[in-house]
Amino acid sequence: GAVVSQHPSRVICKSGTSVKIECRSLDFQATTMFWYRQFPKQSLMLMATSNEGSKATYEQGVEKDKFLINHASLTLSTLTVTSAHPEDSSFYICRASSGHEQFFGPGTRLTVL
Amino acid sequence: GQQLNQSPQSMFIQEGEDVSMNCTSSSIFNTWLWYKQDPGEGPVLLIALYKAGELTSNGRLTAQFGITRKDSFLNISASIPSDVGIYFCAGSSIANDMRFGAGTRLTVKP
Repeated sequence: GAVVSQHPSRVICKSGTSVKIECRSLDFQATTMFWYRQFPKQSLMLMATSNEGSKATYEQGVEKDKFLINHASLTLSTLTVTSAHPEDSSFYICRASSGHEQFFGPGTRLTVL
Repeated sequence: GQQLNQSPQSMFIQEGEDVSMNCTSSSIFNTWLWYKQDPGEGPVLLIALYKAGELTSNGRLTAQFGITRKDSFLNISASIPSDVGIYFCAGSSIANDMRFGAGTRLTVKP
């Protein structure tokens, strides 16, 4: 079946630095990518939706200048957490959708010191 | 946004017991999905339901799409230790949009 990968799987960074997370759909074309954030023992919270070649649509309360999303191709979307702070520490998960098929990535654990 | 109420929040059961969890919504969904998430991993789809009243099985799992399109349940029969994890319901009303319940944390004691 279709596979979605995320890289890195874990990242630890210092406060104030930027971190880029990649989400790739490996064997199908993802016209839409979704980015979620999940805090411990909580559900997945949608951060933003991006369609290939378009600007991302952010959910209320999510700062677009802090969480930069690029969806430049049908197989790759990136989420960059700029000027990361400890409160940004979380599990970030992408979901890739072709409209018919959709799969989650394995997630990226971000820890900001 | 749309809110999904998932219950119970957690369950502690003995191996071999059956499990039932459900989700309700104040809004109508066109699709209900059930996912399982293991620690440190992304959710994996268990069952997808596309039609009101639909009852679908996947091995020991059975899920139903409520006739009102505002609820769904997931049953797991004869639980085994590897059933441990967090189960999420998700509802979708328009293409690609998906909202999640809070999750049910399942613990199975051998």
